[in-house]
Amino acid sequence: RKEVEQDPGPFNVPEGATVAFNCTYSNSASQSFFWYRQDCRKEPKLLMSVYSSGNEDGRFTAQLNRASQYISLLIRDSKLSDSATYLCVVNMDNQGGKLIFGQGTELSVKP
Amino acid sequence: DGGITQSPKYLFRKEGQNVTLSCEQNLNHDAMYWYRQDPGQGLRLIYYSQIVNDFQKGDIAEGYSVSREKKESFPLTVTSAQKNPTAFYLCASSGGTSGRSYEQYFGPGTRLTVT
Repeated sequence: RKEVEQDPGPFNVPEGATVAFNCTYSNSASQSFFWYRQDCRKEPKLLMSVYSSGNEDGRFTAQLNRASQYISLLIRDSKLSDSATYLCVVNMDNQGGKLIFGQGTELSVKP
Repeated sequence: DGGITQSPKYLFRKEGQNVTLSCEQNLNHDAMYWYRQDPGQGLRLIYYSQIVNDFQKGDIAEGYSVSREKKESFPLTVTSAQKNPTAFYLCASSGGTSGRSYEQYFGPGTRLTVT
């Protein structure tokens, strides 16, 4: 089983839609969780950090369920500019600052 | 402007040559990381360093070497022993304020093509 698994993509949605990405992680010792956004042929950029049960920033909401070892990212009112690949990332504190990256889920928002 | 710089953006080399990729940060971060990304795949950790003059192998260190002589700099050498060196190489750093010290920030990357 992969350490971090994400929904297979791509997700194709119309502008204004709400879209949710799911991610599961295998190591119950994981403590810190992140969502990164990566545009085509660019570097990943930090979108949200999730240190407790969840986090909200404008149209973006991340939720964490430690019992089920599950993280989600909800995007409301999708914009064309949200089109990118979204990476679920997990840190295990017992390995210092090492992050484990999911393979990413591609989102394409259409007019 | 604080940030991470990588140079060059594109690099072309002949097979059998060693090549060194540059990574510099002025964020005063203690930890630095090198990743490799292949088309359609996730990031894989090559090497990381949590403090000056110390570094550890990541998941795919074979054929690579690093040094960390200064806090700001973490160059990566791709040696001729690396079997499939063509990839997108990303450098990152972390080490902000307590509670956010694991957030990693990436440089723009170097695309290496070896023929």
